[in-house]
Amino acid sequence: AQSVTQLGSHVSVSEGALVLLRCNYSSSVPPYLFWYVQYPNQGLQLLLKYTSAATLVKGINGFEAEFKKSETSFHLTKPSAHMSDAAEYFCAVSVTGGGNKLTFGTGTQLKVEL
Amino acid sequence: GAVVSQHPSWVICKSGTSVKIECRSLDFQATTMFWYRQFPKQSLMLMATSNEGSKATYEQGVEKDKFLINHASLTLSTLTVTSAHPEDSSFYICSARPGLAGNQETQYFGPGTRLLVL
Repeated sequence: AQSVTQLGSHVSVSEGALVLLRCNYSSSVPPYLFWYVQYPNQGLQLLLKYTSAATLVKGINGFEAEFKKSETSFHLTKPSAHMSDAAEYFCAVSVTGGGNKLTFGTGTQLKVEL
Repeated sequence: GAVVSQHPSWVICKSGTSVKIECRSLDFQATTMFWYRQFPKQSLMLMATSNEGSKATYEQGVEKDKFLINHASLTLSTLTVTSAHPEDSSFYICSARPGLAGNQETQYFGPGTRLLVL
């Protein structure tokens, strides 16, 4: 079985500051890893995904994440936060790809302050 | 492109009644749709996988007679919560995976339906 742990249910950063959202996973087989973002009253939108190619994955809106097998981590970062980044972020893992069963973390609410 | 809608966005019902939630893929055909449930401060939990024209596959612990899923067309899946009780109050989210003509490595999520059972 696989699982995901997101540390910090709420993260607050200043506009222009580094965004770091933490995700650790557990999987008995090589995982596929994903970050999704959810804006109010909208569906989850895929930010980026790791599928065993490059360990540093670049996504939309300037976000990127690095797969670190030794640390079983897939933290999400963005060098400079914008107000529009305020949303809820979910990390997810799958053992069979993004079109199949996803196991989600509990989510991290990102607040961006002026 | 790749928009998934859900209807209603929120619903309040009395205990003992049944509630139907629709999930539609608006601009693509979805051979597979997933239904998730999210409790406050918790993860999205997969309830079931539905394939067009066949019976849904339910995750362990999910009562199939309680949560009826129908995927009668390539653009519509429905979840019916039968004889709803207050413990069924939750946020229900669907996602849709395109068929062979689309990107099968991605599933697209609806905005969710909030159910409150009184």
